[in-house]
Amino acid sequence: EAGVTQSPTHLIKTRGQQATLRCSPISGHTSVYWYQQALGLGLQFLLWYDEGEERNRGNFPPRFSGRQFPNYSSELNVNALELEDSALYLCASSLDRNRQETQYFGPGTRLLVL
Amino acid sequence: AQTVTQSQPEMSVQEAETVTLSCTYDTSESDYYLFWYKQPPSRQMILVIRQEAYKQQNATENRFSVNFQKAAKSFSLKISDSQLGDAAMYFCAYRVIQGAQKLVFGQGTRLTINP
Repeated sequence: EAGVTQSPTHLIKTRGQQATLRCSPISGHTSVYWYQQALGLGLQFLLWYDEGEERNRGNFPPRFSGRQFPNYSSELNVNALELEDSALYLCASSLDRNRQETQYFGPGTRLLVL
Repeated sequence: AQTVTQSQPEMSVQEAETVTLSCTYDTSESDYYLFWYKQPPSRQMILVIRQEAYKQQNATENRFSVNFQKAAKSFSLKISDSQLGDAAMYFCAYRVIQGAQKLVFGQGTRLTINP
């Protein structure tokens, strides 16, 4: 069974640009989560999608947004990039919001903002 | 707000020996989950072990076991017969059962295995 996949593995952008990160959950999983792992700040929850809806949002500005597609894959968009957005972005998936399931993580996308 | 604290930024252990990583958390909830994740240099987060708060029995997975003390809000991870492949960052994480499904992570403990 394939795990959570993320693309691209690395992304280099300049300040002010937009970045789009993609995530495909484990087959059968409907919930997708996004986390930011920035140096010195640890792992912070960004967004949670389930069944195409945004279910919860972490303490991040509105320029962090995303969506979930009918096939349950997800996209994270970061607009007006700032230097401090440089981080590893991890996507995780779980079965669904009604079952108390473990989150399984992808390999991450490393975003560097210059 | 829930918080998770890992007080040991770094730990080291000799190969084949046992090491315990500490984690404490703060919550007003009575039902929740606790997890240990491992992040090797590849950066992929890998689930090590999971504990449901309503279960009194400590979870075990092969060489990995936890000491869950609910009243003390403590959740330590014991790694027996340490192997070189165990070298990684270890993160303790908490999640409520109902409502927001987000994981709240500790700061991590970097574990080094000495051959």
